[in-house]
Amino acid sequence: EIVMTQSPLSLPVTPGEPASISCKSSQSLLHDNGYNYLNWYLQKPGQSPQLLIFLGSNRASGVPDRFSGSGSGTDFTLKISRVETEDAGIYYCMQVLHTPPSFGGGTKVEIK
Amino acid sequence: QVKLQQSGPGLVKPSQTLSLTCVISGDSVSGAYSAWNWIRQSPSRGLEWLGRTYYRSKWYNEYGESVESRIKITADTSKNQFSLQLKAVTPEDTAIYFCAREAPTLIDLRMDVFDIWGQGTKVTVSS
Repeated sequence: EIVMTQSPLSLPVTPGEPASISCKSSQSLLHDNGYNYLNWYLQKPGQSPQLLIFLGSNRASGVPDRFSGSGSGTDFTLKISRVETEDAGIYYCMQVLHTPPSFGGGTKVEIK
Repeated sequence: QVKLQQSGPGLVKPSQTLSLTCVISGDSVSGAYSAWNWIRQSPSRGLEWLGRTYYRSKWYNEYGESVESRIKITADTSKNQFSLQLKAVTPEDTAIYFCAREAPTLIDLRMDVFDIWGQGTKVTVSS
């Protein structure tokens, strides 16, 4: 099973400031087609995970452009250019290249 | 608009079978390009993929190693739904259970994203 490691565990952020979350995989997520099979989700309290970024760097429909994903192979980053209060929650990375699909442990973004 | 609606009991006794159903609207359980997954979430195990079912001229099932001996995922095309059965549950199976669609975003139609999730069902295993 691919192990996904996120950091930090917790991230206090002031509104308007940037935020960055790291995700590392134990094996490469780069497919022969050139895409990285790494997705990012946000889970707000009491809700299901909602898709933010797919294939490493593509924003899902309706996701604000302050969210961006980057990276390749085993190292990935989710960035929020200017955090808003509605961005609070737990962020997860997830790999879908290898079976079983696997998730990172989560990063809790708290608004100061 | 694709939606998944989960149903099932929130309390199951130890050694019994946990059964949950996920009704699909806006897509087909036997669609040629999607798969239908069960995932659970607990404080001790985080988000854990349990298994999937999908149809590609015939039905396929894949299961996670931790539950492989106890799990069964089935599809009902007449009701456009899929179900999870987890046998011989213990308190360690206490979790929030989610169903989710896995679909392709690229032209090669390889599945690459879990894009639609059910609302989640909190299941407690206790006598």
